[in-house]
Amino acid sequence: EVRLVESGGGLVKPGESLRLSCAASGFTFTSAWMSWVRQAPGKGLEWVGRIKSESDGGTVDYAAPVKGRFTISRDDSKNTLYLQMSSLTTEDTALYYCGNSYYYWGQGALVTVSS
Amino acid sequence: DIVMTQTPLSLSVTPGQPASISCKSSQSLLHRNGKTYLYWYLQKPGQSPQLLISEASNRFSGVPDRFSGSGSGTDFTLKISRVEAEDVGVYYCMQSIQVPPTFGPGTRVDIK
Repeated sequence: EVRLVESGGGLVKPGESLRLSCAASGFTFTSAWMSWVRQAPGKGLEWVGRIKSESDGGTVDYAAPVKGRFTISRDDSKNTLYLQMSSLTTEDTALYYCGNSYYYWGQGALVTVSS
Repeated sequence: DIVMTQTPLSLSVTPGQPASISCKSSQSLLHRNGKTYLYWYLQKPGQSPQLLISEASNRFSGVPDRFSGSGSGTDFTLKISRVEAEDVGVYYCMQSIQVPPTFGPGTRVDIK
């Protein structure tokens, strides 16, 4: 069974940083392309970024609104995906989901940015 | 970026009746490898999105056969042959042929 469990969400002030983690199991993490999408309260789904497998180059792509502020990384030895978020604004308030490519999604981690 | 549009944006269906959602993309989703990079998701209330259909017409593992996907190029359709109460939620289409992947606005389905 594929499991994706996000953690690290919370309440932060504008300008602060936060790191989300996604613990993966039930599939071969090392060969998976992993993604983050987010959903602002009451809104639709927005792609945040994706990291390819190391065997495919480990390339990372980001959505324009987060490029330069967010960093996606992975630790294949721990089957864990990360999302490092900095210079957070109220516009980043959302539920953040990690995904196994575009097939499975976790239950999400809530990030609230408010003064 | 590829723009995804969905119609209708909301749908109220009688149990046992069919339902259909249209999704259109601003560019063709047919890759030169022959695959069409269009996905359908259902987000049930309070849950994360769950994949229903991949590559426009491939029903995902465990998805009931009352769900079907069709279409090509820029025009796609998700059909539910007989809606059940558990099918309520918001349906999204998404393209992944081009970065950034983009989602449609969602179609909210409820039961009459």
